[in-house]
Amino acid sequence: EAQVTQNPRYLITVTGKKLTVTCSQNMNHEYMSWYRQDPGLGLRQIYYSMNVEVTDKGDVPEGYKVSRKEKRNFPLILESPSPNQTSLYFCASSFRGTTSYEQYFGPGTRLTVT
Amino acid sequence: SQQGEEDPQALSIQEGENATMNCSYKTSINNLQWYRQNSGRGLVHLILIRSNEREKHSGRLRVTLDTSKKSSSLLITASRAADTASYFCATEGNTPLVFGKGTRLSVIA
Repeated sequence: EAQVTQNPRYLITVTGKKLTVTCSQNMNHEYMSWYRQDPGLGLRQIYYSMNVEVTDKGDVPEGYKVSRKEKRNFPLILESPSPNQTSLYFCASSFRGTTSYEQYFGPGTRLTVT
Repeated sequence: SQQGEEDPQALSIQEGENATMNCSYKTSINNLQWYRQNSGRGLVHLILIRSNEREKHSGRLRVTLDTSKKSSSLLITASRAADTASYFCATEGNTPLVFGKGTRLSVIA
């Protein structure tokens, strides 16, 4: 089954404790992206990757890191989480070509930083 | 920013009625997409319309695009309670897909 998986689905952590949210897709998509969703603010892009070893900042990259060593994986790293990073996080992937294609979303990771 | 802005922010209708949501954006685009999100879950792609298209249909969905006004509309006909969700437009131009804040649709049985 074609899908985007994220782990963990729920995470409660404390300020400053490094964490990684994993994202994996099995559709051989070139493009992957991370979003955060907050009430009243919609989805905001954190980072995206056009292909392996190619990553770019989105609208809200501060406090986050990503890597794209393999095509299928795109982990999101919070080196020193803070309470303002409490949010619902989504990973998404799609094909990329001369035109755009629909994005497939993971189920979301709800992160709480205390 | 080319972020789309959906209007209205919230919409409540009776089952069987049509629901119309609008999206406006600021810069030129290559395409515009509509997504649906059930509460707290991942977004699901509904339909994509390219900048050289004016109207597109998919089942009970009808999307229009007016590039001169930088606006799009999503019409859901004969709504059902199961259509209750948030709907987002997303635009792509010189930067990858950028999402608006969404319209929350409630369909009352």
